[in-house]
Amino acid sequence: SQQGEEDPQALSIQEGENATMNCSYKTSINNLQWYRQNSGRGLVHLILIRSNEREKHSGRLRVTLDTSKKSSSLLITASRAADTASYFCATAMEYGNKLVFGAGTILRVKS
Amino acid sequence: EAQVTQNPRYLITVTGKKLTVTCSQNMNHEYMSWYRQDPGLGLRQIYYSMNVEVTDKGDVPEGYKVSRKEKRNFPLILESPSPNQTSLYFCASSGGGGRPQHFGDGTRLSIL
Repeated sequence: SQQGEEDPQALSIQEGENATMNCSYKTSINNLQWYRQNSGRGLVHLILIRSNEREKHSGRLRVTLDTSKKSSSLLITASRAADTASYFCATAMEYGNKLVFGAGTILRVKS
Repeated sequence: EAQVTQNPRYLITVTGKKLTVTCSQNMNHEYMSWYRQDPGLGLRQIYYSMNVEVTDKGDVPEGYKVSRKEKRNFPLILESPSPNQTSLYFCASSGGGGRPQHFGDGTRLSIL
């Protein structure tokens, strides 16, 4: 069963605007990861945030994690047309190696 | 270059004709996994392997087999494919312990 659920399912913004995607999950986690998928290609890891972290930055990406609400958000600042892709959150359980993926958010950045 | 290589990238075949999708990684990763991706359902895990000769079922294993005879290879076998196995398949590997996974470019299977 799916652990993570992304919101919104789809998002369309203008170049230069910020994009925010949210992810909710159900059980305790070791970490939460965000991946990007360009159309029909493999997923690429973007950023990992551990369960004891609240915020993490990587370039134009900012991820927050609220374990009390079992939710995370991914913020992409100053978006570019090249950011157009699907974005998935994935949760790593407290024990083991399994990642459970959500259904993803489709982001379209218009130039 | 670190990579996960899947073959073939595309395959159209018919019901009941056995097929194998190969997966190879060059990162010496212990953990490997197969997923299928269907619209609106995200990625669902089919099988995974913790190490050589150690495999286990994921969430949707029915109709699939795997083997892990060498650390670098993790083939996915469809003994008698059916149309409901038409999907986009991904192989991934990682160092385990919840570390990020490296994905192949995917194999698009169409079973007629």
